[in-house]
Amino acid sequence: QSALTQAPSASGSPGQSVTISCTGTSSDVGGYNYVSWYQHHPGKAPKLVIYEVSKRPSGVPDRFSGSKSGNTASLTVSGLQTEDEADYYCSSYAGNNNWVFGGGTKMTVL
Amino acid sequence: QVQLAESGGGVVQPGKSLRLSCAASGFSFSNHAMHWVRQAPGKGLEWVALIWYDGSLTYYADSVKGRFTISRENSENTLYLQMSRLRVDDTAVYYCARAHGQHFDYWGRGTLIIVSS
Repeated sequence: QSALTQAPSASGSPGQSVTISCTGTSSDVGGYNYVSWYQHHPGKAPKLVIYEVSKRPSGVPDRFSGSKSGNTASLTVSGLQTEDEADYYCSSYAGNNNWVFGGGTKMTVL
Repeated sequence: QVQLAESGGGVVQPGKSLRLSCAASGFSFSNHAMHWVRQAPGKGLEWVALIWYDGSLTYYADSVKGRFTISRENSENTLYLQMSRLRVDDTAVYYCARAHGQHFDYWGRGTLIIVSS
């Protein structure tokens, strides 16, 4: 059982917006603004898409956005594209040089 | 560009040892802390270990503390994970990832370890 809770699946049609949630506790998500999100196409290297809750690395489209409220963080993918179909994992710093991850959400583009 | 390539995976019996390597290129390896993260079949990601840029400090998840050792050879741009007293629940794909602040900014493709008798 993963430390952070994510819904196992999410879906949307091309052009739509989809939001994935990630719920932790006050010891991780709620306690630090160090939530990050990773896109993973199976067999490939995971890719950072959001860090420090809402910052986008260079090269990541602005269709990807992140937010946090209390112990729950969210990743929104707007203007969904076929290449967005992947697994998405959230992560949070949990203090004392420890990091926790979610169980992952499989995003399907219908 | 930044590239990380893990190697050393395979099938190993419970109780045995195995060493993973992660070859880094495209960046100044000696300036970056590095992590190992793993993913058991059908499960989410799990942080395993962190080593500082100069190897002076290391940190481990409770699940591997005392059994795994993270190390690095900066002259060869290589990260290691020495795994001993392996258990069936250590079966996973193991990824190396570059540390950047409190997140992981580049990852490798992973190497699969199967612990089975």
